[in-house]
Amino acid sequence: GAGVSQSPSNKVTEKGKDVELRCDPISGHTALYWYRQSLGQGLEFLIYFQGNSAPDKSGLPSDRFSAERTGGSVSTLTIQRTQQEDSAVYLCASSVVTDTQYFGPGTRLTVL
Amino acid sequence: AQSVTQLDSQVPVFEEAPVELRCNYSSSVSVYLFWYVQYPNQGLQLLLKYLSGSTLVKGINGFEAEFNKSQTSFHLRKPSVHISDTAEYFCAVKTQGGSEKLVFGKGTKLTVNP
Repeated sequence: GAGVSQSPSNKVTEKGKDVELRCDPISGHTALYWYRQSLGQGLEFLIYFQGNSAPDKSGLPSDRFSAERTGGSVSTLTIQRTQQEDSAVYLCASSVVTDTQYFGPGTRLTVL
Repeated sequence: AQSVTQLDSQVPVFEEAPVELRCNYSSSVSVYLFWYVQYPNQGLQLLLKYLSGSTLVKGINGFEAEFNKSQTSFHLRKPSVHISDTAEYFCAVKTQGGSEKLVFGKGTKLTVNP
């Protein structure tokens, strides 16, 4: 079956612009996660959605970062007023609750 | 809070040699343990996981890991590596009954040379 998909695969933007990253989870997976992978910080948790529960936003690094999940499926991660330190690979994962997280290929974000 | 330490950032080995990638964790509560592999320009793929039961866990591609609670370790092993095993390997933990987030180590870059 289809895995987790993410778009775009690469995004280059200018400092100060807003960007939106999209994640399509595996069908039937109720949990969705965003992580960030950067050279300096490694893999960091950003946010977790589970069904209709309030998301766990404890990993978002600043209020410039936000995410939503519409209809319990597709999720969008938005970064406002991008900074150079936001450059990283943004990974999305999905799972059946409390089970293995399956990762997408990631979106490579470059902020110039 | 949990933390994961992968003791070696890079491990070079020759083809058909055995390899061990080390992982130690710190947690005040019980955890689940995972090893993921990342090939160049790809996402993370699960190699194996320890949830409960036997402390020796077998995964895909001939890898296995042993959970040692007293030493808080979860080292990854393969008896004979192939060129195609060249990748970055990440150890991760998740608390039992707590947050669903994975906490990752910094990764170990395994390079298999002919």
